[in-house]
Amino acid sequence: QKEVEQDPGPLSVPEGAIVSLNCTYSNSAFQYFMWYRQYSRKGPELLMYTYSSGNKEDGRFTAQVDKSSKYISLFIRDSQPSDSATYLCVTGFQKLVFGTGTRLLVSP
Amino acid sequence: EAGVTQFPSHSVIEKGQTVTLRCDPISGHDNLYWYRRVMGKEIKFLLHFVKESKQDESGMPNNRFLAERTGGTYSTLKVQPAELEDSGVYFCASSPPGQGAYEQYFGPGTRLTVT
Repeated sequence: QKEVEQDPGPLSVPEGAIVSLNCTYSNSAFQYFMWYRQYSRKGPELLMYTYSSGNKEDGRFTAQVDKSSKYISLFIRDSQPSDSATYLCVTGFQKLVFGTGTRLLVSP
Repeated sequence: EAGVTQFPSHSVIEKGQTVTLRCDPISGHDNLYWYRRVMGKEIKFLLHFVKESKQDESGMPNNRFLAERTGGTYSTLKVQPAELEDSGVYFCASSPPGQGAYEQYFGPGTRLTVT
């Protein structure tokens, strides 16, 4: 079993839609949960991080963590074509553990 | 401020040859990490330096891989001899002293193809 499970997609939505990206993790010891965004041929870029359970909002992005169910979500409001990228669900601390990523396509 | 840089961006070598990848972290970042993504798989941790010392090398696949960090600045990852399964994208990341997960800045990666 993978430590972080993500649906690889692709997830295709029209511009302006609300996007929901999800993943699950297996190790209950994890405390930090991150979402990285990766554009084609680029390195991962930290989008948001959350410590323990709860919500965190940053502009159009909201991250949610439910430690009781080991479930992590990222919501994108008013999605834009520039949001088209692969979104990586990540946990760990010094040694990051990645999901395979979900490819998001936002069409104009 | 310059980001994490990696060289080369792409390397194609034959099985059995040696390749050396280089990473220059962000200035002042004591922590340096190597990760790898092979085709169709998730990005996986290889090792972590704190300054010039190896803090965690639990992800190194075998002894054909050798990582060094000279003087706590840039780092090199040598693969000798390269095998077909070593093909993938090698990422380097760095973070400030005392930080970890939410402060790792990634380079663009080196795409390694072993033929």
